[in-house]
Amino acid sequence: DSGVTQTPKHLITATGQRVTLRCSPRSGDLSVYWYQQSLDQGLQFLIQYYNGEERAKGNILERFSAQQFPDLHSELNLSSLELGDSALYFCASSVGRSGTSYEQYFGPGTRLTVT
Amino acid sequence: SQKIEQNSEALNIQEGKTATLTCNYTNYSPAYLQWYRQDPGRGPVFLLLIRENEKEKRKERLKVTFDTTLKQSLFHITASQPADSATYLCALGDDKIIFGKGTRLHILP
Repeated sequence: DSGVTQTPKHLITATGQRVTLRCSPRSGDLSVYWYQQSLDQGLQFLIQYYNGEERAKGNILERFSAQQFPDLHSELNLSSLELGDSALYFCASSVGRSGTSYEQYFGPGTRLTVT
Repeated sequence: SQKIEQNSEALNIQEGKTATLTCNYTNYSPAYLQWYRQDPGRGPVFLLLIRENEKEKRKERLKVTFDTTLKQSLFHITASQPADSATYLCALGDDKIIFGKGTRLHILP
């Protein structure tokens, strides 16, 4: 058990809908990362937050947004869903101070299926 | 653009032998490189982190090398066991992490 929790575990929704994925980092970790993993694309970095502020942005679509709250949990919002958004979404956390690299601890993931 | 290449073909190794996985990168000069293990349907698990000024790092049966001239990292598992069968991911960067697509390793009993 990594100490990172994600809810829900599975999510099935229709195209055009909006969903929210939730992540609670390990106790003491200030950084939260979101990733999308599909079979053909591998693990794609979406966005990182550090202590409530956006730190780095990857290949995140404009239809997607995220935030990190004062209690350090994070939410990833996916809107106007398309079939191609079906994937495993992982959250990871780390100590995450700037300018260096720390090991990341991944949650169990949320499997999103868009029908 | 930055690119990480890991062998997309599965690697089959006999139990007890050393498994060696390769990670090559281009258009990038990372200060850090990490290796993760991922089992099907589960989140990646951190294994080792190596910095650009470290040539080699070891942890139990695992060894990682980092050659910034060749732009390559090698990941070794010695005395391999069937339980080592998994996909191994290479990752580069600090704030913005780039992951390779991984190499599937099968340890044959």
